[in-house]
Amino acid sequence: GAGVSQSPSNKVTEKGKDVELRCDPISGHTALYWYRQSLGQGLEFLIYFQGNSAPDKSGLPSDRFSAERTGGSVSTLTIQRTQQEDSAVYLCASSFNRVGEGLGGYTFGSGTRLTVV
Amino acid sequence: QKEVEQNSGPLSVPEGAIASLNCTYSDRGSQSFFWYRQYSGKSPELIMFIYSNGDKEDGRFTAQLNKASQYVSLLIRDSQPSDSATYLCAVSPWDYKLSFGAGTTVTVRA
Repeated sequence: GAGVSQSPSNKVTEKGKDVELRCDPISGHTALYWYRQSLGQGLEFLIYFQGNSAPDKSGLPSDRFSAERTGGSVSTLTIQRTQQEDSAVYLCASSFNRVGEGLGGYTFGSGTRLTVV
Repeated sequence: QKEVEQNSGPLSVPEGAIASLNCTYSDRGSQSFFWYRQYSGKSPELIMFIYSNGDKEDGRFTAQLNKASQYVSLLIRDSQPSDSATYLCAVSPWDYKLSFGAGTTVTVRA
């Protein structure tokens, strides 16, 4: 697609429920990233995919968080047993990952605003 | 120590003036440096990137990098009300992951 597409744009869920957030990156971008941004805070790295593999999961806050990517394209971030502190905007980004040439910068999707009540 | 530090602001400048934003980073091995603009309620958009020491100009924006001082800055010339946003500095210590500062909020008053 022309840009990074995320769905849903807004999600309100009850504490303890599971949620799935979807990201469809720019066609041809091999690298995909999930970040989250809490109100008034900076961007917090969650996970990085290169193709379908996730070489860096170091930012996932707990084992309630997981992510997968299939076909080198769409990625799903799943949060199990949601807690109120999970409320944030979850941003997906993609890039060409030119190893050795430096990073060309990410293109972000419009984000999913998650509210846990 | 945070990896990337920015003054949170707010930075208020009159229309037509120069806005100067600063960013320092801790990893001396960082290779790539980016400035993103984020309007309220929107996602970040890339406005500048710089890899080499010195200045890089793009329209009204100039990015400046000094790797010896671990310092990167963004100048916005002839500031317009539409420049009012939060500006995020991002640094890549590796080939893939960006570390972001908390952002500087800029308000351009007409």
